[in-house]
Amino acid sequence: DAMVIQNPRYQVTQFGKPVTLSCSQTLNHNVMYWYQQKSSQAPKLLFHYYDKDFNNEADTPDNFQSRRPNTSFCFLDIRSPGLGDAAMYLCATSRFRAGDTDTQYFGPGTRLTVL
Amino acid sequence: DAKTTQPPSMDCAEGRAANLPCNHSTISGNEYVYWYRQIHSQGPQYIIHGLKNNETNEMASLIITEDRKSSTLILPHATLRDTAVYYCIVRGAQKLVFGQGTRLTINP
Repeated sequence: DAMVIQNPRYQVTQFGKPVTLSCSQTLNHNVMYWYQQKSSQAPKLLFHYYDKDFNNEADTPDNFQSRRPNTSFCFLDIRSPGLGDAAMYLCATSRFRAGDTDTQYFGPGTRLTVL
Repeated sequence: DAKTTQPPSMDCAEGRAANLPCNHSTISGNEYVYWYRQIHSQGPQYIIHGLKNNETNEMASLIITEDRKSSTLILPHATLRDTAVYYCIVRGAQKLVFGQGTRLTINP
């Protein structure tokens, strides 16, 4: 089945130690998104890629970076994780066509713990 | 994107229809109403979306008022597995802006 895959499902890192989360998709969608969801809060968009074009949200900290080496894969890099970055990180994809609406499909998420 | 208002929580008996309301009085003509749900510790799951007309799929029905200022998501025969947070989102541009949603609890 076509899907959005996130690895690992659970990630533990140390304060200040860089960490990379990965997302892959078999849907051949042109847009990939990263959301952060802290405990008891709603998901919040960090950034997205429309094909190779990177679109950062204005309030996303510089500590968060992303890479999209090809259509299928997208990575979230946290350069120096702080305790406040502990959260569920959600990847989503969509097929966007100008003039039409697009539906985002989410992966299962990666729960990040910062010690 | 327009703001939505949902009740923070609702209860429904198993086997009954669950009707989840959403107010979006500032919706503009080209904005869609989307519904997602999130079961505990999982990623959000797409349910349904609509622009003007009522919509139905295998999961739910979406009823949008004629003035488009409110909508109702209907789960026709709720099961325990439908317990989740349900998000109503109005969107025009690409991004989804999640509100706090409605925590729906299905009781045996």
